[in-house]
Amino acid sequence: QQPVQSPQAVILREGEDAVINCSSSKALYSVHWYRQKHGEAPVFLMILLKGGEQKGHEKISASFNEKKQQSSLYLTASQLSYSGTYFCGTETGANNLFFGTGTRLTVIP
Amino acid sequence: SAVISQKPSRDICQRGTSLTIQCQVDSQVTMMFWYRQQPGQSLTLIATANQGSEATYESGFVIDKFPISRPNLTFSTLTVSNMSPEDSSIYLCSVFSPMNTEAFFGQGTRLTVV
Repeated sequence: QQPVQSPQAVILREGEDAVINCSSSKALYSVHWYRQKHGEAPVFLMILLKGGEQKGHEKISASFNEKKQQSSLYLTASQLSYSGTYFCGTETGANNLFFGTGTRLTVIP
Repeated sequence: SAVISQKPSRDICQRGTSLTIQCQVDSQVTMMFWYRQQPGQSLTLIATANQGSEATYESGFVIDKFPISRPNLTFSTLTVSNMSPEDSSIYLCSVFSPMNTEAFFGQGTRLTVV
């Protein structure tokens, strides 16, 4: 029941935008987004609860389409610090989190 | 937020041996989670550990290979038993925030089996 993310990898220049998608085959209770830098543990970005909401966090925002069991993460005006691997994490109501396949984001000057 | 202390941070082990990884949380939590992250891959949930009951294992993981203890609400251990090189990975423990709105992670244990 691992969610599938796309794209697998993306390279951006500073200031460019990106969208990362997360799709699940199961009905979702919530979707989390995390960023992991090399050699470090994942760090929480945001959570979206069912209800089709959209949330923002500085220049990073996300949406959740409960009916389609999909979520998207939007990164605008990317910065070098945005580089890392992004994972969605999905909850299906059993109080555990399953992580997506991951998207490696590289921001270059 | 929760602070999780996980140890050891890394180890190199001989095949056929076992390693126990410890995870200590600075607050009481109902559930603790154990993940495996192979190089360049995503995090795979191994099991959920509840205090006072047996751990719940995900498909592909069994108690004989990954026994888990949960003696109290702040501590858990994961043992990787009878190790083979395929067990080389990073193992992470994780807990939720009180409202289950955020997951916190230990710094991970990098295991190499030779």
